[in-house]
Formats: sequence, structure tokens, C-alpha cells
Amino acid sequence: GAVVSQHPSRVICKSGTSVKIECRSLDFQATTMFWYRQFPKQSLMLMATSNEGSKATYEQGVEKDKFLINHASLTLSTLTVTSAHPEDSSFYICSVSGLAGEQFFGPGTRLTVL
Amino acid sequence: QKEVEQDPGPLSVPEGAIVSLNCTYSNSAFQYFMWYRQYSRKGPELLMYTYSSGNKEDGRFTAQVDKSSKYISLFIRDSQPSDSATYLCAMKEVGNAGKSTFGDGTTLTVKP
Repeated sequence: GAVVSQHPSRVICKSGTSVKIECRSLDFQATTMFWYRQFPKQSLMLMATSNEGSKATYEQGVEKDKFLINHASLTLSTLTVTSAHPEDSSFYICSVSGLAGEQFFGPGTRLTVL
Repeated sequence: QKEVEQDPGPLSVPEGAIVSLNCTYSNSAFQYFMWYRQYSRKGPELLMYTYSSGNKEDGRFTAQVDKSSKYISLFIRDSQPSDSATYLCAMKEVGNAGKSTFGDGTTLTVKP
């Protein structure tokens, strides 16, 4: 399956700052990537679908101006959490969709906003 | 009502036991069925993928799909402590740009 990396693996920041998370598909050209958020002991919550060369599609209730997604190439999508607040603290995970629709996930990024 | 309901657990079994993890769904358009394993503080990893009713086996893991009953299961034989993780079922419609619907997960602990 596809190998997906995320950077950074962990980030701690002060309230009001912006944080950028990178998701890279290392061995697969991904026209579509997905961004999820996961709170402790809860399941994955799809935030948005990242489309290469076009605007991301956000799920209902996800603020597109707060969670900026850029998918500039077939191997890189970025998620920027703008003006982060403590309630944005979570585990952010990206995935790449395989040819058959299965998903390959990155290792996740743990964001803590103080 | 959620489209995908997963047995909540948690589940605790002795090493060597057979484990059964289950999900039901309501959307008859789901045609692809997946199981993921997620260790604590890690991203999920794909375990099994199937698209037809019946059984699919891979080592100690067997995925079972019953489309008529809208029910899927994952069986783990000879469970090991290393199998301790959260297991997520996921389902997908044909097309739909790879977007899957996930269950809430079942946390499994295998005790040595």
C-alpha cells in the first residue's frame, strides 16, 4: 500500500498562533487526500477532502477559513490551523485513497494549543 | 441513526482466544468494506479490504461480509498481546472519491 508521512509528529503552540501540518505521499501520486481529526477515545472525524490543483471540500461544520488546506502537488497536502485555540488541540491524521478506495493513513500529528 | 454502528467494547480476552469484532450498516449503497487497526497515538493501518459477501482470510484474520443482513465481522484467531489496539470498520460506496464512513471503533486488549 501507499506510504504516507506527516510532519511534524507533535507540535505545541501558544493560543492565537497558526500551525502548518504537512502530509506527503511517498510512493503514490495522490490526486485526493483526506484530513481527519480525532479526539481522545473517539473515532475519526473527516474534516475535508483535499483535491490536487483545486479547492478542498469541507465537511459540514468545519470552518474552511480556520482550517486552510493546500494540495499543490500530487505528493503534498498541507493543513494550516489558523489562530489556534485550546479547543483545536487534537490528533490530526491525513490519508491517501488507494486505487480501490481503501485508505492509507499517515502517522498523525498531535497538536496541543496552550 | 448512524450509517455505521460498531460494537463499542471494550473487549478483553486472554491470549490465544478467538476474537469477533462486528459492524452493522444501514446504507445499501456501501459496496466496499475495510477493517483498520489503530495503535494508541498512531494512524490507522489497513488490515483487510473486501467488496463481496463471504469470507476473506489473511493469516490469523478473517473478514466476513453479509450484504443481505448489512453486517460485517472481523475474526482474529490465536489472538496475541500485540493485537491489542482499536479496530475500526469502514465502508464505501462505489465512486465517492474514496470517501469512507467509519465506525466508532472497538478497543481490544489481549492479556498474556
